[in-house]
Formats: sequence, C-alpha cells, structure tokens
Amino acid sequence: DTAVSQTPKYLVTQMGNDKSIKCEQNLGHDTMYWYKQDSKKFLKIMFSYNNKELIINETVPNRFSPKSPDKAHLNLHINSLELGDSAVYFCASSQALAYSYEQYFGPGTRLTVT
Amino acid sequence: EDKVVQSPLSLVVHEGDTVTLNCSYEVTNFRSLLWYKQEKKAPTFLFMLTSSGIEKKSGRLSSILDKKELFSILNITATQTGDSAVYLCALADRGSTLGRLYFGRGTQLTVWP
Repeated sequence: DTAVSQTPKYLVTQMGNDKSIKCEQNLGHDTMYWYKQDSKKFLKIMFSYNNKELIINETVPNRFSPKSPDKAHLNLHINSLELGDSAVYFCASSQALAYSYEQYFGPGTRLTVT
Repeated sequence: EDKVVQSPLSLVVHEGDTVTLNCSYEVTNFRSLLWYKQEKKAPTFLFMLTSSGIEKKSGRLSSILDKKELFSILNITATQTGDSAVYLCALADRGSTLGRLYFGRGTQLTVWP
C-alpha cells in the first residue's frame, strides 16, 4: 500500500539529455511537492501544487518544469541536464495547503548526471 | 542564511544511551515545527509541534518546543541500532507561502550495538 510512489528510483543519464520523474499519491491529498536533496542531505523545496495549481515555484532553473495532470500526480521534467542536477529528488504530499498538515514523502529518485 | 539550525551535525552513541537533538530557528511568524526521521530513503514524519511547553511522545521518542527561546529538542531514550538515521527538523512560517517548509541540515545519529 504505497502512499507516495515515484518512478524511476534510479536514473543515470548524460549531460544534455532530457528526463522525467513521475510521482503518484493514493492518499487523496490535495497538495503535492517536489524537493531536491543534495549530497549533504540538505532538503530544499522546488515546487508545490494545490489541486493542480502551481503554488510554490522556488528559484530553480527553468529547465525544470513540473506538470500536474490531476490531484494525484505530479511529474517533474528536466531539460538539458547538467552535472549539478545530480541529487535525490523527493515527491511529497499533504492533505491540504495549510500550516497544520504534515507532508508525506515518496522514496526518492536518485539522479546521476555523467 | 539558514532559518533552521540543527545541532549536533552528527552523533555517535552506544545502544541504551539517551540522546538529545537540538533545533533552533529564526522566523518572524512561527506556525509549526516538524521532526522527520530519514533512514536510507524517504523522510518519515515523527512529530508536529505548535504549542510551547507541550511534550509530544511516541514510545522512546519525545519532543518539546520552546517558542520564547525559539528552539525544539528531540529526545530518544534507550537508543537502539534501528534509531540510526538522519533526523530532520522543519519549520512552517506564517509569513511564507502556505505549505512551504524550511528544513535544517539534519543530525546524523549512529547507534552502535
């Protein structure tokens, strides 16, 4: 009974390629997020969507584009991959867009750009 | 500049020891503070604290918030090897966009048998 799932779990690709990471949650939550965790384990928010509407859009390069086809899915597409994009990307969801709801994380996608 | 500062960055103890992990923060309009445990994969939720002085407990883990001094602690008593993980503190700030959490850099806890 996976609550928040991501595919793929591992992604190894070359600089300049375009790749996508998919996320799905079966918790019935309204809000979904993308986080990037660097090699020092620092977790930083990239985007959040509430009911398919973009809410948080951090200062990430515009090579990163999130897409939410419905409330249960939030995908991340990355164009022209660079070495510095290597990290673990986590998807998360919360019941609603409010201060009082904890966020549940997916298992992460480890992206390695060579 | 980090809004959330955790200490120590790493800690090595033996099974049975008690540990205290610290999280201090700087925000103008505090809303809530959350603790997560991250083993090899996803961070898993432990506690959410919104009120000062009220301890939250779950088994051997407990946490308390001091809104006056702007910090929280996470205590783990009678540690076990399964407690080895990175413990993350995160902050929700009323002044920021709804849903935004600011994470600290974590405390790496290693428990030796």
